[in-house]
Amino acid sequence: GAVVSQHPSRVICKSGTSVKIECRSLDFQATTMFWYRQFPKKSLMLMATSNEGSKATYEQGVEKDKFLINHASLTLSTLTVTSAHPEDSSFYICSARGGGNEQFFGPGTRLTVL
Amino acid sequence: SQQGEEDPQALSIQEGENATMNCSYKTSINNLQWYRQNSGRGLVHLILIRSNEREKHSGRLRVTLDTSKKSSSLLITASRAADTASYFCATYNAGNMLTFGGGTRLMVKP
Repeated sequence: GAVVSQHPSRVICKSGTSVKIECRSLDFQATTMFWYRQFPKKSLMLMATSNEGSKATYEQGVEKDKFLINHASLTLSTLTVTSAHPEDSSFYICSARGGGNEQFFGPGTRLTVL
Repeated sequence: SQQGEEDPQALSIQEGENATMNCSYKTSINNLQWYRQNSGRGLVHLILIRSNEREKHSGRLRVTLDTSKKSSSLLITASRAADTASYFCATYNAGNMLTFGGGTRLMVKP
């Protein structure tokens, strides 16, 4: 299957700082990318959907000014958690879709906000 | 954005036993997928079953789908300690976005 990478895999930051997470499709062009959030022992919750070159669509309850998403190219989407707080600590997973309907998932990024 | 629920939420069995996990969903679907997630890791796609299929096999995995009951089951036969993971079903919602069930945490004891 297609490969999606995320960077970094783990990040620890101080409260109030911003953190950027990158998601890359390595061997295909991702017209749509998705960002999910997962709390411990819970399921994945869709945060937002982004299409290359346009603004992201956020799910209800997700603050767009808090979680900035940029999908500037067909192989890269970034999620920036702005002014991070301890409650933002979570596992963030991206997913990418190319020309077909299948979604390919990245390995996830563990964010810990102190 | 969860599509449905899975049961049990947690399952603990001995190596060699079979593990059955169930998933229910709410809307009409074209297909249903099962994923596996090791602790703290990404998702691994296991199997996809189409709405016109009732049963599908892949190695030690057997998936059933009952569209009249809007439910699916995943059976892992002859389980191994390495099967310890969380298992999620997923379907596409009306916006064509993949949404996940609550998941079953499987523990296989050696």
